[in-house]
Amino acid sequence: DADVTQTPRNRITKTGKRIMLECSQTKGHDRMYWYRQDPGLGLRLIYYSFDVKDINKGEISDGYSVSRQAQAKFSLSLESAIPNQTALYFCATSDHNEKLFFGSGTQLSVL
Amino acid sequence: AQTVTQSQPEMSVQEAETVTLSCTYDTSESDYYLFWYKQPPSRQMILVIRQEAYKQQNATENRFSVNFQKAAKSFSLKISDSQLGDAAMYFCAYRRGNFGNEKLTFGTGTRLTIIP
Repeated sequence: DADVTQTPRNRITKTGKRIMLECSQTKGHDRMYWYRQDPGLGLRLIYYSFDVKDINKGEISDGYSVSRQAQAKFSLSLESAIPNQTALYFCATSDHNEKLFFGSGTQLSVL
Repeated sequence: AQTVTQSQPEMSVQEAETVTLSCTYDTSESDYYLFWYKQPPSRQMILVIRQEAYKQQNATENRFSVNFQKAAKSFSLKISDSQLGDAAMYFCAYRRGNFGNEKLTFGTGTRLTIIP
């Protein structure tokens, strides 16, 4: 079983809909991250959390919100999806070491 | 803010040959880490190699090695004896070294094609 699990793997939604992407991990890590990947732009940080009570904005947080429900769960929400939020979304975790562990990504398409 | 630049959007190499992917970064920090990640068509992000800035010795992992030039802020990846399975997007990434700053800044990626 994967250490970092993202659901769904793929999602198509319409403009204006609310959508939640979920991430769970079995690695016992405190630190969790949401990144967005766009062609030609690489991965950009949306939000990150260093523990359950700690939530921080990344470089592109506008239009997104997050919830850290437990150490193992970190969800990303789009309150009102728009087409330019079409992207591949990655959840990642890390411990006090410098290595990130990534989920397999959620491809989101907003029509 | 730190930036990471990969100036080669695409590269190709003949199977069994050697290829070098370029990466430069901008930082005022002295303590940091650098990484190369591979993203095959499966889209999984796989750590290829990492380098601590305080280490002068270049990191090596089997056929993968880096040329770390701290003064020039350059961190290139060399892939020797290229194999078909090396075909992927490669991302260079930077992280500050102090505790509590584990988030990575990524470059825009280089797509590597292996020619049989």
